[in-house]
Amino acid sequence: AQSVTQLGSHVSVSEGALVLLRCNYSSSVPPYLFWYVQYPNQGLQLLLKYTTGATLVKGINGFEAEFKKSETSFHLTKPSAHMSDAAEYFCAVTVQGAQKLVFGQGTRLTINP
Amino acid sequence: EPEVTQTPSHQVTQMGQEVILRCVPISNHLYFYWYRQILGQKVEFLVSFYNNEISEKSEIFDDQFSVERPDGSNFTLKIRSTKLEDSAMYFCASSGTRAYNEQFFGPGTRLTVL
Repeated sequence: AQSVTQLGSHVSVSEGALVLLRCNYSSSVPPYLFWYVQYPNQGLQLLLKYTTGATLVKGINGFEAEFKKSETSFHLTKPSAHMSDAAEYFCAVTVQGAQKLVFGQGTRLTINP
Repeated sequence: EPEVTQTPSHQVTQMGQEVILRCVPISNHLYFYWYRQILGQKVEFLVSFYNNEISEKSEIFDDQFSVERPDGSNFTLKIRSTKLEDSAMYFCASSGTRAYNEQFFGPGTRLTVL
């Protein structure tokens, strides 16, 4: 079975600072990894995904994530935070042939002016 | 851009009552899902649906739950006799392909059971 752990339920950064949201996964077979963002009163929007190939993946809104198999990690980064990045971020894992996504508990990102 | 829609956005019901949560998946998608998120907890998988039948369900999805695709556009989740612990945000998702399992989510329905 797969699982995801997101370190830090709440992360606060200043506008213009680096954003780093941590995600570690557990899977006995090669994983597919996703980051979703949820803005207030909206659904889950896909930020980026890793399936196969290049381990550094770029997503929307300037976010990127790197798949590190040796560390079982898929941390999300953005070089310079913007006020509009304030939201809840969810890391999720699945594997080939699986029906479901397994989510982490989410990280609420707050941007300070 | 196509999107998944859900109605209502917020449903309040009394314990023991039946509720139906509605979803309109993206029109050319074939795989449909329900997830829920109890306040402060993880988003949890409930059920997946393909070719007019359940393809997988979690242990949460017991006999009080059912899903249906009554026509070519809607996908519903019915809870027959609601309990206090059913209070949660319920998300519908759809996918056009099994490859990589990329799912598109709706905005959710907040269910409050009193």
